[in-house]
Amino acid sequence: NAGVTQTPKFQVLKTGQSMTLQCAQDMNHEYMSWYRQDPGMGLRLIHYSVGAGITDQGEVPNGYNVSRSTTEDFPLRLLSAAPSQTSVYFCASSSKLNQPQHFGDGTRLSIL
Amino acid sequence: AQRVTQPEKLLSVFKGAPVELKCNYSYSGSPELFWYVQYSRQRLQLLLRHISRESIKGFTADLNKGETSFHLKKPFAQEEDSAMYYCALSERGSQGNLIFGKGTKLSVKP
Repeated sequence: NAGVTQTPKFQVLKTGQSMTLQCAQDMNHEYMSWYRQDPGMGLRLIHYSVGAGITDQGEVPNGYNVSRSTTEDFPLRLLSAAPSQTSVYFCASSSKLNQPQHFGDGTRLSIL
Repeated sequence: AQRVTQPEKLLSVFKGAPVELKCNYSYSGSPELFWYVQYSRQRLQLLLRHISRESIKGFTADLNKGETSFHLKKPFAQEEDSAMYYCALSERGSQGNLIFGKGTKLSVKP
């Protein structure tokens, strides 16, 4: 059982480049979310989705886009990467409201 | 606005000593509280949730609504407990978003 799968695990980008971080889950979870983890800041919610076709902003959405065309996939797009977006990104999913979330392994992203 | 505070960035104890990782929250409603743990080079995973009232890996956490706290405790720390611990809050009836504290790094020395 793969759970939540994130790709790639590592990526280095130049300022201004675009990129999509992939997230897929095989647990038929309705709820999916993206967090970024920064030293001393904990995890902060970027965007989330409560089901296919529905997305909403979290605490730090600027510079990121998401879409949810299927239940399984929830990609995160950086349209024009900035050094401030250097971080570790985690995708998570849960079966329904207030249920524990399952996390992926994370994507370590560096913007030069 | 709801907030989760973990006052200690780093907690260092010796093996066999008791450990308490503090978590305080501010929320006007009825929250769900969780503890997540991240071992070195591993993904975040759920350790405890307050409604389960379980003991996982020897850890317990009691929700104290009067003090708005959800401290994580273990009577005898082990070296393998060394990890990053995050307290998190979720609003009941909300979209299920988790609000995380900034985390406490627990180091258990031999």
